[in-house]
Amino acid sequence: DAGVIQSPRHEVTEMGQEVTLRCKPISGHNSLFWYRQTMMRGLELLIYFNNNVPIDDSGMPEDRFSAKMPNASFSTLKIQPSEPRDSAVYFCASRLDITSGNTIYFGEGSWLTVV
Amino acid sequence: SQQGEEDPQALSIQEGENATMNCSYKTSINNLQWYRQNSGRGLVHLILIRSNEREKHSGRLRVTLDTSKKSSSLLITASRAADTASYFCAPVQGAQKLVFGQGTRLTINP
Repeated sequence: DAGVIQSPRHEVTEMGQEVTLRCKPISGHNSLFWYRQTMMRGLELLIYFNNNVPIDDSGMPEDRFSAKMPNASFSTLKIQPSEPRDSAVYFCASRLDITSGNTIYFGEGSWLTVV
Repeated sequence: SQQGEEDPQALSIQEGENATMNCSYKTSINNLQWYRQNSGRGLVHLILIRSNEREKHSGRLRVTLDTSKKSSSLLITASRAADTASYFCAPVQGAQKLVFGQGTRLTINP
């Protein structure tokens, strides 16, 4: 299996631009998580989906952030408009069964810099 | 869900020594998981210990769990340079979302 695949790996964008991060979870996994990591705030859970349905988006920082999961094999995290404080590494992770306590598998992250 | 608190925040030891990291949490759990993050990479699962287990081994890793003290420890024996990474614990309560703390930054000096 190819693991969790994220794109782009690196993105530099100007303040005010729209940013779209993409994630392909491991095939067959039914839970998907978006995390953000910064030096100051550590690893924050933004939102997670189960069977393509958003279960908890309490970690989404503000209305500029939105996430979708149109099908079991694809999810996006969008920031519009982007701001310099959004600069971070964004990780997507997936898991087979949300109720079993199974381990989650992380992608390699999308490194976002907003200038 | 709850977040684990790792201690110490940073640990620097010589290659070959043992490294011990601790994790504390606040409420009852179903299991507790440890993850490693190498610089610039995603987190990788290391080991899971269930609430009815007290100790678990995996290669050079030894994890203990004390539910009465709501704490866990991760021991890496005979450390190697490749063990340099950040280590995170994740206490799992309702087996839904995993929340991570700041982690322990481990540096193995040659």
